[in-house]
Amino acid sequence: EADIYQTPRYLVIGTGKKITLECSQTMGHDKMYWYQQDPGMELHLIHYSYGVNSTEKGDLSSESTVSRIRTEHFPLTLESARPSHTSQYLCASSVGRRTYNEQFFGPGTRLTVL
Amino acid sequence: EDKVVQSPLSLVVHEGDTVTLNCSYEVTNFRSLLWYKQEKKAPTFLFMLTSSGIEKKSGRLSSILDKKELSSILNITATQTGDSAIYLCAALPMNYGGSQGNLIFGKGTKLSVKP
Repeated sequence: EADIYQTPRYLVIGTGKKITLECSQTMGHDKMYWYQQDPGMELHLIHYSYGVNSTEKGDLSSESTVSRIRTEHFPLTLESARPSHTSQYLCASSVGRRTYNEQFFGPGTRLTVL
Repeated sequence: EDKVVQSPLSLVVHEGDTVTLNCSYEVTNFRSLLWYKQEKKAPTFLFMLTSSGIEKKSGRLSSILDKKELSSILNITATQTGDSAIYLCAALPMNYGGSQGNLIFGKGTKLSVKP
């Protein structure tokens, strides 16, 4: 079983609040990802990181930001939450840039912005 | 634009039936195809296919890649209610320089197995 954790699992918050979704993995994986998934829709990559101090924007434009100060930690921040940010956010990790391995997913955070 | 298309989008079967889920891809610098099972929350990894024509099996699940047809199928035999989930297909490209690209996911096939 993959060791990748996300908190909180569920979050209901009002418009305009700043929130941070936490993601941690204990596998020593270099590459980490954030996906956004609406019900019945595909996963959309919003951010990824090759390693410490590396962050890249994904295919789907997002108002969120990420940081990677430690290998195991990849938090996602929304400075001012809006109802359009309501979605499920999935964090994932994989071994490294030059190896072709599967991604391991965390349990997800279901965000609702009122 | 790279894309992955899965069919059907939704499928309802009875326990004991055999199902075949389809995945086609159009991806520049394709390297591998992955299948995931998503129940409620996190997708869990099933298979990664890189070579054409070689079947991978895990219990009642099996999958094969056809690079000529740019497609893959996932078979589930003797289905059980616990197989009910969304099955995701994703293509893994290779970046220029040989590094791993980012997964490109299809919308998934929602499988419902009724007792």
